Amino acid sequence: GQQVMQIPQYQHVQEGEDFTTYCNSSTTLSNIQWYKQRPGGHPVFLIQLVKSGEVKKQKRLTFQFGEAKKNSSLHITATQTTDVGTYFCAGDNQGGKLIFGQGTELSVKP
Amino acid sequence: DTAVSQTPKYLVTQMGNDKSIKCEQNLGHDTMYWYKQDSKKFLKIMFSYNNKELIINETVPNRFSPKSPDKAHLNLHINSLELGDSAVYFCASSRGPSSGNTIYFGEGSWLTVV
Repeated sequence: GQQVMQIPQYQHVQEGEDFTTYCNSSTTLSNIQWYKQRPGGHPVFLIQLVKSGEVKKQKRLTFQFGEAKKNSSLHITATQTTDVGTYFCAGDNQGGKLIFGQGTELSVKP
Repeated sequence: DTAVSQTPKYLVTQMGNDKSIKCEQNLGHDTMYWYKQDSKKFLKIMFSYNNKELIINETVPNRFSPKSPDKAHLNLHINSLELGDSAVYFCASSRGPSSGNTIYFGEGSWLTVV
């Protein structure tokens, strides 16, 4: 069945360093969503990408959707301790079901 | 004015017991979900209802039975609890069943089976 693979599983950075998490699908996605889950919290929607090659920014966060619509990335510039949490991508293969990646857990050392 | 609320937040119970988790959303959404998050943080969909009708039923043991009395409520009943059922269960909702809709998660119910 369709899989959405996300790497890395864990990332430890020093505050101020950049961070990137990657999401890859075995099939073409109609859209991709990104969620953030703070420690002890629940996933919260960040953004949705729909178009091939789309790039969206939210302050220090940059989201990209690949040209083939099979991969996506989230890049955080100059991480802060408030960025700590697990970042999930979630993609739909046009079958109507959203599949979540395994998540990337980010820890930031002050 | 919590959008998706679920109770209880914490539940510790013995193996073999039956327990329920309740969920309500006040967003006026048509679609509701139950997700299970294991210790490795993997989010797996269990069930989805659209306007009280079951539309997604993943490979979940029969011991898990969802019930949707109306489109604002989706409860989860679990029979004969097992150690492996220990996890965080998230209720969620979205405007519609299309995967293009944003999913709004509840705060989670931490279930520990001992």
